[in-house]
Amino acid sequence: QVQLVESGGGVVQPGRSLRLSCAASGFTFSSYGMHWVRQAPGKGLEWVAVISYDGSNKYYADSVKGRFTISRDNSKNTLYLQMNSLRAEDTAVYYCAKEDTAMENWGQGTLVTVSS
Amino acid sequence: NFMLTQPHSVSESPGKTVTISCTRSSGSIASNYVQWYQQRPGSSPTTVIYEDNQRPSGVPDRFSGSIDSSSNSASLTISGLKTEDEADYYCQSYDSSSVVFGGGTKLTVL
Repeated sequence: QVQLVESGGGVVQPGRSLRLSCAASGFTFSSYGMHWVRQAPGKGLEWVAVISYDGSNKYYADSVKGRFTISRDNSKNTLYLQMNSLRAEDTAVYYCAKEDTAMENWGQGTLVTVSS
Repeated sequence: NFMLTQPHSVSESPGKTVTISCTRSSGSIASNYVQWYQQRPGSSPTTVIYEDNQRPSGVPDRFSGSIDSSSNSASLTISGLKTEDEADYYCQSYDSSSVVFGGGTKLTVL
């Protein structure tokens, strides 16, 4: 069965960096686009970024453009999100999701808290 | 870019039918597929409807989706409400190179 496991979250000071990982299993990772979606405490879902199956195309939400970078290593079945210049408003649970006809599978999320 | 607007909350009794709307602010609702996600408290979202009106395997046929070009909106209808349907529901669509989520609707079944 499809499994997506995020890691790398934690508490970080404003202006610092953090890299999230999403380990995928149970499907052919290299055949699917992947998303990062975040959810601030008590708030709704916010799309962050998407990467195509081969990493050739990447798109970002305006709120993170220029600060976050999505990437993937198909040999390791792993998706990444490099987050730089973090702000308090980036505090959220970050989910990775597999793209097919929809975001059909989601991980359990990893919490990122940006605070001094 | 466009926005997807959902009611903040809806409530209905068990066994009844509820409809949650999702209105697109600009551009045609029919120009990009709409998905619906259910998120129970403390859990990750799951897909209940994709491509406007398709149900993933395992989702009961009490869940249905539709779009209405006249109101430029999509709707999620849940019939025969059960207490387990109590959750937040999000609509989602695409805008050229980005993804748009609605603000979410809290469904209370009481």
